[in-house]
Amino acid sequence: EDQVTQSPEALRLQEGESSSLNCSYTVSGLRGLFWYRQDPGKGPEFLFTLYSAGEEKEKERLKATLTKKESFLHITAPKPEDSATYLCAVAGGYQKVTFGIGTKLQVIP
Amino acid sequence: EAGVAQSPRYKIIEKRQSVAFWCNPISGHATLYWYQQILGQGPKLLIQFQNNGVVDDSQLPKDRFSAERLKGVDSTLKIQPAKLEDSAVYLCASSQPWAAGGVRLQYFGPGTRLTVL
Repeated sequence: EDQVTQSPEALRLQEGESSSLNCSYTVSGLRGLFWYRQDPGKGPEFLFTLYSAGEEKEKERLKATLTKKESFLHITAPKPEDSATYLCAVAGGYQKVTFGIGTKLQVIP
Repeated sequence: EAGVAQSPRYKIIEKRQSVAFWCNPISGHATLYWYQQILGQGPKLLIQFQNNGVVDDSQLPKDRFSAERLKGVDSTLKIQPAKLEDSAVYLCASSQPWAAGGVRLQYFGPGTRLTVL
């Protein structure tokens, strides 16, 4: 059974304080790893898809990286508007997607 | 491009009552998913449709949950009778029929927050 573990469950940062979120996974035949952002009362919003170990993608203050066992979401100089829950998910065989519980990020001005 | 639409946004019911949720996917998206997200947890797949056929319903509690996707477009998810533990956000997502890079990217609707009292 595919599994996704995210850490930490919650993270509180000062504005401008860079950090990383971790997503470790076990999956039979990784087809892709996704990062989503979820704001309160809303559905997950797509951020990145990574397909193979060594791949990196960036968007504004966010950078996602992938190894054979885990992915990191690096947040550089975060702003209060980056506060949200960040979800990691993996797609294994037959396109089945398994989500982690997410990391709730709070950025304090 | 219009996003995934869901209604209602909120629903409060008593246990043992029935409830139905509606989803309209992005135009042209053949694959539709229903997820359950309990507070503090990640989304859990309940059922996946490809056009109007079921691809995966292995985690759907079939004694009380049912879903249909008539004509391969919009879909309804029903709970009958509801239990306290069904309180959650029910998310609908859709994806294109083809897979970019080997995976289908899912686009989510805003969800329906269900409270069972």
